[in-house]
Amino acid sequence: DGGITQSPKYLFRKEGQNVTLSCEQNLNHDAMYWYRQDPGQGLRLIYYSQIVNDFQKGDIAEGYSVSREKKESFPLTVTSAQKNPTAFYLCASSIDTGFSNTGELFFGEGSRLTVL
Amino acid sequence: GDSVTQMEGPVTLSEEAFLTINCTYTATGYPSLFWYVQYPGEGLQLLLKATKADDKGSNKGFEATYRKETTSFHLEKGSVQVSDSAVYFCALMSNSGYALNFGKGTSLLVTP
Repeated sequence: DGGITQSPKYLFRKEGQNVTLSCEQNLNHDAMYWYRQDPGQGLRLIYYSQIVNDFQKGDIAEGYSVSREKKESFPLTVTSAQKNPTAFYLCASSIDTGFSNTGELFFGEGSRLTVL
Repeated sequence: GDSVTQMEGPVTLSEEAFLTINCTYTATGYPSLFWYVQYPGEGLQLLLKATKADDKGSNKGFEATYRKETTSFHLEKGSVQVSDSAVYFCALMSNSGYALNFGKGTSLLVTP
């Protein structure tokens, strides 16, 4: 079935360690996104990519990095510079990009990162 | 910048009650408006959308009307079910935007 797969679903990290969250889609979508979800904060945009080999910072990019080497993959690295990384991370994709973006995002089931 | 404000939860209703979740927005131009739903332990799903003033989005018994005069996009359902228990997010996409701006979410609990 087509969709977005995030892994791992749960991840524990010690302070000072980098971790990478995987996001794969087989929907043939051009645009991909990473959001962070915290209780009472809603979703905040970390990074987005409209096309392979290109990505843009969102509202809270500090302490995070991404790559987009393949259309179907958009991994997120949470670096040790991220001061409060414990959160629920959601990856999404969209068939539309730029001015034709209709806002219809398809989300993965999320990855919950806990820093010990 | 563009933003969305929605009522804080949690909202607790009995089955078959009427639901309203308020959402207002701030944006330049004519944004597109959305409601997304997140069931426990899952990602978000698009529930409905409206792309211009006076449009009504509807799906699964839920409705929302794009009111430019009041900059609102309130979500309504005439008779909620236990299975509607979830977190509901209002969101907007501005004319020049490349990603959605989400509200903080409203948790709904429907009891039998």
